[in-house]
Amino acid sequence: DSGVTQTPKHLITATGQRVTLRCSPRSGDLSVYWYQQSLDQGLQFLIQYYNGEERAKGNILERFSAQQFPDLHSELNLSSLELGDSALYFCASSVEGGVFDEQFFGPGTRLTVL
Amino acid sequence: QQQVKQSPQSLIVQKGGISIINCAYENTAFDYFPWYQQFPGKGPALLIAIRPDVSEKKEGRFTISFNKSAKQFSLHIMDSQPGDSATYFCAAIFNQAGTALIFGKGTTLSVSS
Repeated sequence: DSGVTQTPKHLITATGQRVTLRCSPRSGDLSVYWYQQSLDQGLQFLIQYYNGEERAKGNILERFSAQQFPDLHSELNLSSLELGDSALYFCASSVEGGVFDEQFFGPGTRLTVL
Repeated sequence: QQQVKQSPQSLIVQKGGISIINCAYENTAFDYFPWYQQFPGKGPALLIAIRPDVSEKKEGRFTISFNKSAKQFSLHIMDSQPGDSATYFCAAIFNQAGTALIFGKGTTLSVSS
């Protein structure tokens, strides 16, 4: 158990809908990352937060947004969902978001868009 | 330029054998090269990592070999066990506006008993 929790574990929804994925980082970790894992694209970085502030953006679609709250939990919002958004979404956390800080991954949320 | 290329896509090794997974990169600005292990239904977990100024790092049965001039690095799993059956991802990370992991496509390892 990495100490990172993600809810829900599974999510099934329809095209055009909006969903929210939630992540609680390890106790004491200030940085949160979101990654998407799909069969064709592999593991891709979406966005990073550090202590409530956005730090870096990767291949995140404009339909997707995220935030990190004062209690350090983070939410990833996916809207106008398309079939291609079906994937595993992982949250990871690290102590300070430094290069050499280990990123601990949560168990993921499996999103299925029908 | 930010890609990490990983091979092979899949690997079958007999119990007790050596598993070798290779990765290559282009961006010389990468600062750190971790390997992650992922079991079905779980998130990736850090296995071992190396800095580019080190040519080899060993932890138990796992060894990273790093060739900076060739921009290649590899994971060697000695005495492979059925419990090592998992997907392995090489990754790279550099400190430019964030510290995202850039992953290879992954290698699915099956160790037969």
